[in-house]
Amino acid sequence: GNSVTQMEGPVTLSEEAFLTINCTYTATGYPSLFWYVQYPGEGLQLLLKATKADDKGSNKGFEATYRKETTSFHLEKGSVQVSDSAVYFCALSQTNFGNEKLTFGTGTRLTIIP
Amino acid sequence: GAVVSQHPSWVICKSGTSVKIECRSLDFQATTMFWYRQFPKQSLMLMATSNEGSKATYEQGVEKDKFLINHASLTLSTLTVTSAHPEDSSFYICSVNREAGFGANVLTFGAGSRLTVL
Repeated sequence: GNSVTQMEGPVTLSEEAFLTINCTYTATGYPSLFWYVQYPGEGLQLLLKATKADDKGSNKGFEATYRKETTSFHLEKGSVQVSDSAVYFCALSQTNFGNEKLTFGTGTRLTIIP
Repeated sequence: GAVVSQHPSWVICKSGTSVKIECRSLDFQATTMFWYRQFPKQSLMLMATSNEGSKATYEQGVEKDKFLINHASLTLSTLTVTSAHPEDSSFYICSVNREAGFGANVLTFGAGSRLTVL
């Protein structure tokens, strides 16, 4: 079955540091890949997505590239801010005759220190 | 984007009682809503797909008699945890799919409801 494995947290960085959160997946066929972010007290929000191999999703300075050869979708940001502190979830989607489901990783808590 | 509201955000109940959690899609008519469960330090697990006007579709291993889902309108789905026990304590999250289509699943999530069963 499908699965997503992401970097265990928590991750603590200083402001303006470079961020990488690793995510690898197992799936049959050609899944779509997502990063969701959950800020304190809020619901999960879509951060970025990629629907085919070599696509790069980007938003708010974050980027992730769909690497089929390594089955990875690592999240990166060149210079993090305190406001980026949140929990980040990697996920994949593989439609099943219209019954679309997301498979999530365990989430990585990121804390940015001023 | 879509706004999904859950109520209550936090509930504590005694063992053996039933608890109802509401999920409302405030600006989008959703024929389908999804219910997830999240244990501490674990991933979100899909419990069931709530279908407006018909029975919910439950994932393997989820007790449908334990977790009753009612999707009576295009803007409201409810999850009732019946005869709750401490092991049912968890974070329950609903979501709405706003971009249906092959390989383009994008969900809008509610903020979640934390259930603690004493």
